[in-house]
Amino acid sequence: EPEVTQTPSHQVTQMGQEVILRCVPISNHLYFYWYRQILGQKVEFLVSFYNNEISEKSEIFDDQFSVERPDGSNFTLKIRSTKLEDSAMYFCASSGTITAAGSNQPQHFGDGTRLSIL
Amino acid sequence: SQKIEQNSEALNIQEGKTATLTCNYTNYSPAYLQWYRQDPGRGPVFLLLIRENEKEKRKERLKVTFDTTLKQSLFHITASQPADSATYLCALAAYGNNRLAFGKGNQVVVIP
Repeated sequence: EPEVTQTPSHQVTQMGQEVILRCVPISNHLYFYWYRQILGQKVEFLVSFYNNEISEKSEIFDDQFSVERPDGSNFTLKIRSTKLEDSAMYFCASSGTITAAGSNQPQHFGDGTRLSIL
Repeated sequence: SQKIEQNSEALNIQEGKTATLTCNYTNYSPAYLQWYRQDPGRGPVFLLLIRENEKEKRKERLKVTFDTTLKQSLFHITASQPADSATYLCALAAYGNNRLAFGKGNQVVVIP
């Protein structure tokens, strides 16, 4: 069964440094997302991406964050100048195909990147 | 303010019994609701999606109901097995967008 893959599984970075988290969504999906989960807390929406642009973002997704789909398979989340409070699990998800586009489609998640800011 | 509430206490249940989990929401008008399973250190795994005009959905041993009057969804695992032990998350999305808002999850422990 196709799945969402994320790399690396664990990233340790010094505060103030930039990190790029990488995701390969399911190949025929059209919608891509980033969520995060701080330890012991709920999963929180960051951003959704469709047709090569951001379709929605949360209040968490400020100027420090950016997303990109650099080619036909990868989807990245960049965090500039990381802060201690950015430490969390970051999940990529994808949904929706040409035949079943739009909302109301299941989102499929990767296993996440654990980001630790020192 | 908008809230999605799931029971914070773990549900301990004997193998073979039915586990029932509740998801209550306030100040939402969801177009659909999804249930996920999450194991420690892993990403959420999609289980079931139910739309606001649907009352019930089933998949194998799983059943979900959605009552927009009560603002509640129930999630049932019948004939529970130790392998069903995990945290179960409910997530809502409004009309016109795919942004999922998650509850904090409810842990299920199935005792052999």
